[in-house]
Amino acid sequence: KAGVTQTPRYLIKTRGQQVTLSCSPISGHRSVSWYQQTPGQGLQFLFEYFSETQRNKGNFPGRFSGRQFSNSRSEMNVSTLELGDSALYLCASSFGLFTGELFFGEGSRLTVL
Amino acid sequence: AQKITQTQPGMFVQEKEAVTLDCTYDTSDQSYGLFWYKQPSSGEMIFLIYQGSYDEQNATEGRYSLNFQKARKSANLVISASQLGDSAMYFCAMREGLYNNNDMRFGAGTRLTVKP
Repeated sequence: KAGVTQTPRYLIKTRGQQVTLSCSPISGHRSVSWYQQTPGQGLQFLFEYFSETQRNKGNFPGRFSGRQFSNSRSEMNVSTLELGDSALYLCASSFGLFTGELFFGEGSRLTVL
Repeated sequence: AQKITQTQPGMFVQEKEAVTLDCTYDTSDQSYGLFWYKQPSSGEMIFLIYQGSYDEQNATEGRYSLNFQKARKSANLVISASQLGDSAMYFCAMREGLYNNNDMRFGAGTRLTVKP
């Protein structure tokens, strides 16, 4: 079956702009998590959604937001981009909220100039 | 506080040899899960192996095995018969309180290079 799909794969934005990233989970998976990966900070948890509700949120400013749709697809948005937001944004899905194993997409690589 | 520690930024191994990647963790929960992921240069995180805190036997998945020492809070990944395609970043991760809303925390990773 198809894996986790993230779009776009690569994008370049300038400071102050906003960006929306999309994630389609594996069919049947209802939980979607987002992570930010940078060389300096490593993998950091952003948020987790289950059944259209945010269940958990990491330590990121309010500029980072997300949502989940009824078909389990998820989007995350970053407003007022800063240079430090340049990162690989990884989406992961799992069948249930309490299922430990996560299945990741290939990520969206954001560059902020 | 650092939950997951991977002390080896980089490791080299000869093709067909075995290699151990270290991971120690910190938790006060009795129920938790430990995971290893592989990240090739493409960026995708690939799940390798899982160990539950109550599992008495070490987990194995093909050439991957997890050396789980609960008292020492270590969960080392052993890759047997290394292949060139094993060259990648490897991340140890933990999810505490599997029945609570706890996010998965990752270590800093170890870059493994397999030499021909």
